[in-house]
Amino acid sequence: AQKVTQAQTEISVVEKEDVTLDCVYETRDTTYYLFWYKQPPSGELVFLIRRNSFDEQNEISGRYSWNFQKSTSSFNFTITASQVVDSAVYFCALSEAGTGRRALTFGSGTRLQVQP
Amino acid sequence: NAGVTQTPKFRILKIGQSMTLQCAQDMNHNYMYWYRQDPGMGLKLIYYSVGAGITDKGEVPNGYNVSRSTTEDFPLRLELAAPSQTSVYFCASRTLDGGGAFFGQGTRLTVV
Repeated sequence: AQKVTQAQTEISVVEKEDVTLDCVYETRDTTYYLFWYKQPPSGELVFLIRRNSFDEQNEISGRYSWNFQKSTSSFNFTITASQVVDSAVYFCALSEAGTGRRALTFGSGTRLQVQP
Repeated sequence: NAGVTQTPKFRILKIGQSMTLQCAQDMNHNYMYWYRQDPGMGLKLIYYSVGAGITDKGEVPNGYNVSRSTTEDFPLRLELAAPSQTSVYFCASRTLDGGGAFFGQGTRLTVV
C-alpha cells in the first residue's frame, strides 16, 4: 500500500523567509510519480509539479524548488522569499506509474501561513 | 479551456435524500476519479474509472455509486445521504501517460 506523510501540520513564517515543506512517502512500486498541489483559501487544487521516480534531479521554478531523495523516500518543497500569496495548504501526493488505477494518494497537507 | 467541470458548487441535503454530483472533462482523459476531502484532512479516493464502461472502488466507496458511459462524464451518486457524507468532493482526470491530475473546483456538500 502507498502512504504519504506530511508531518508538519501548520507552519507560520514572516514574509521573505524561506520555508521547506517536508514529504515522506512509502511505496512498493519501483516506478512511481510524486506530486505537489497547492490549495489556496478559495479551495481549488492547483497542480505545482510532477516527478518521476527515476529522475532525481532537483527542480527549480522561480521561487519554488523541489528536492527528491529516493534514498530517504522524501520529496521536499522549498519556497524561497515567501510571500503572503503563498499562504495555502500544500499537499504532497504519490501514484503508481504502471497499468493500474494510477490514483493519487495524498498526504494530510501542511498549512502555510505567511505573515506580512 | 474548461478542463474539469463540477456541478453544483454547493448543496445542502437532508438526511435520506439522494443527489448526483456531476463531473465532465473535455481533455479526452482516460482516467477519472472522485475524491472527498474532510476538514483538515487530505483527499481520499471514493471511486475511479480507467475508461468508459469501467469503474472500480477506491478506499471509501460506501454510500456512493458511479457510472462512466462516456469518456467525458463521470457522475457520482449519493443514494441515502448521511451526515458522515458532509465533505468537499473533488473530481479529477488524468492522461493515459500518467501526467498530473487535473481537478475540478469542488462541490461543498452539507447533509443536515
